[in-house]
Amino acid sequence: EDKVVQSPLSLVVHEGDTVTLNCSYEVTNFRSLLWYKQEKKAPTFLFMLTSSGIEKKSGRLSSILDKKELFSILNITATQTGDSAVYLCAVRSYNTDKLIFGTGTRLQVFP
Amino acid sequence: NAGVTQTPKFQVLKTGQSMTLQCAQDMNHNSMYWYRQDPGMGLRLIYYSASEGTTDKGEVPNGYNVSRLNKREFSLRLESAAPSQTSVYFCASSPQPLAGGRNEQFFGPGTRLTVL
Repeated sequence: EDKVVQSPLSLVVHEGDTVTLNCSYEVTNFRSLLWYKQEKKAPTFLFMLTSSGIEKKSGRLSSILDKKELFSILNITATQTGDSAVYLCAVRSYNTDKLIFGTGTRLQVFP
Repeated sequence: NAGVTQTPKFQVLKTGQSMTLQCAQDMNHNSMYWYRQDPGMGLRLIYYSASEGTTDKGEVPNGYNVSRLNKREFSLRLESAAPSQTSVYFCASSPQPLAGGRNEQFFGPGTRLTVL
């Protein structure tokens, strides 16, 4: 059965800290891994990764995929209170149009 | 562009009542999805539609029906609501099924449903 596991479940840090969020997966015919940020309402797209070792960056956020070890990390440097959210990881296989989501990591950044 | 819109935003039902959640997208996307999100459970797929005229079951389809009315609209129906269906429901869309390149899903704002 395909599954996505995220860790930690929750994280509390102070502004300026750097955090690393983890996502491991087991999926048949892996195609891509996606990261979303969910604040109060709908998830919003952050990154899609398909190849190992290529880092995606957007400002203070970056992500990398390891297809051999079946995991991805999302790094946030110099965290701000606006980074407080649930971060969701999802994977897609070639067999299907469906995304399989992890349960998310809840990040709280305090001033 | 409004993106993905959902109605209603909130709904309270009594056990046994029926209702339909509406979803529409104006991005000309082929694929549409319905998810439910419960605390500690992440997003779970209820039904999806890879294209107009087709629908398929997701992970948790029991107690729900869907209709892909046209390319823009994808509705979710609860025929006889149960307390276990209390959840936040998200609709999403994406450009093409099984397509190469960037193909992320875009989410609507959600419907918070409570069944008493």
